[in-house]
Amino acid sequence: GAGVSQSPSNKVTEKGKDVELRCDPISGHTALYWYRQSLGQGLEFLIYFQGNSAPDKSGLPSDRFSAERTGGSVSTLTIQRTQQEDSAVYLCASSSQREVEQYFGPGTRLTVT
Amino acid sequence: QKEVEQNSGPLSVPEGAIASLNCTYSDRVSQSFFWYRQYSGKSPELIMSIYSNGDKEDGRFTAQLNKASQYVSLLIRDSQPSDSATYLCAVNVAGGFKTIFGAGTRLFVKA
Repeated sequence: GAGVSQSPSNKVTEKGKDVELRCDPISGHTALYWYRQSLGQGLEFLIYFQGNSAPDKSGLPSDRFSAERTGGSVSTLTIQRTQQEDSAVYLCASSSQREVEQYFGPGTRLTVT
Repeated sequence: QKEVEQNSGPLSVPEGAIASLNCTYSDRVSQSFFWYRQYSGKSPELIMSIYSNGDKEDGRFTAQLNKASQYVSLLIRDSQPSDSATYLCAVNVAGGFKTIFGAGTRLFVKA
């Protein structure tokens, strides 16, 4: 079946602009995660959604970052007033209700100039 | 103290050898443990999951878990150059879906 998809695959934006990154999880997966990975670094947890529960936003680095998940499926990560340090690959993953193994999308490479 | 610690490497092994990757974690009540492989420029892919103490084998891969020592490892037998990648250890925070990833160990398998 279809895996996790993300769009766009690449995004170049000017400092100060807002960006929206989209994630479409595996069908039927109730949990959805966002991570950030800077060049040569590990995964930095940002936020996760599980079913209808309140999201765990503990990893969001500042109030410029927000995310929503509509209808328990597609999620959008929004970064307002982008800064150069926001440049990274943003990864989305999903997992099922029963198991916590995560399946990752291909990522969105964000470059802030 | 980091919640999930891995030696960053690089770990270099000759083709055909056993590669041993190690990980320690701080949350004593964690129940679920995972190894992901990440090729350069690609997203992580799940290799193994392990939930109980002991060994779990899948092909050339063996995951080992010791909850008393808060230690999980991954053995790769008959290492191939195609195994060259960064290996991420991940630990599920007990009681929920949140997962903490280690920084990863870079593995090089020399032909």
